[in-house]
Amino acid sequence: GESVGLHLPTLSVQEGDNSIINCAYSNSASDYFIWYKQESGKGPQFIIDIRSNMDKRQGQRVTVLLNKTVKHLSLQIAATQPGDSAVYFCAENRVASYDKVIFGPGTSLSVIP
Amino acid sequence: EPEVTQTPSHQVTQMGQEVILRCVPISNHLYFYWYRQILGQKVEFLVSFYNNEISEKSEIFDDQFSVERPDGSNFTLKIRSTKLEDSAMYFCASSHPGQGDGYTFGSGTRLTVV
Repeated sequence: GESVGLHLPTLSVQEGDNSIINCAYSNSASDYFIWYKQESGKGPQFIIDIRSNMDKRQGQRVTVLLNKTVKHLSLQIAATQPGDSAVYFCAENRVASYDKVIFGPGTSLSVIP
Repeated sequence: EPEVTQTPSHQVTQMGQEVILRCVPISNHLYFYWYRQILGQKVEFLVSFYNNEISEKSEIFDDQFSVERPDGSNFTLKIRSTKLEDSAMYFCASSHPGQGDGYTFGSGTRLTVV
């Protein structure tokens, strides 16, 4: 079956350091991947997405890397700030299908001031 | 920035009672979703809705659940007879084909069944 999972459930980083959050997916048909940030008591907030025809996409302080060969996705946060503390979810879908997004189990990022 | 709005933010109900969770998706979005998140767990897909009908539902979305778009702006989730295990955060989301910003989620309704 299809599934999305995360390698590390918790991650603590020093303020100013770079953070890397990893994700594995198993559905080869997935061609659209999204990273969400969820702060306590709030809904998932879109951070960045990437389609399978790309292997890297950059946003503001964030970079998503996609390795289709090993079905691996990562989110890199540069110069991590206290406001980055949250749970991060990767999610997958197929571009041709808007039926649902499948979420991974989440990684809790804690930034140490 | 457009938002998905959910009401109420917190609902407490007795087991066996019916609850209706309400959502106002982003106005030009065409696809609507409900997800739930049990405390400390991942976000789980419940149902997607397009063109006034369910397009896909998960095994969680059994006969106790229903969705409706009663007018041009609201999207509701009804749980007919709540169980203790229905206690969770329920998130509404919406999306538009071709917009590269994923799915926009509301802030959620915390449902507590007692």
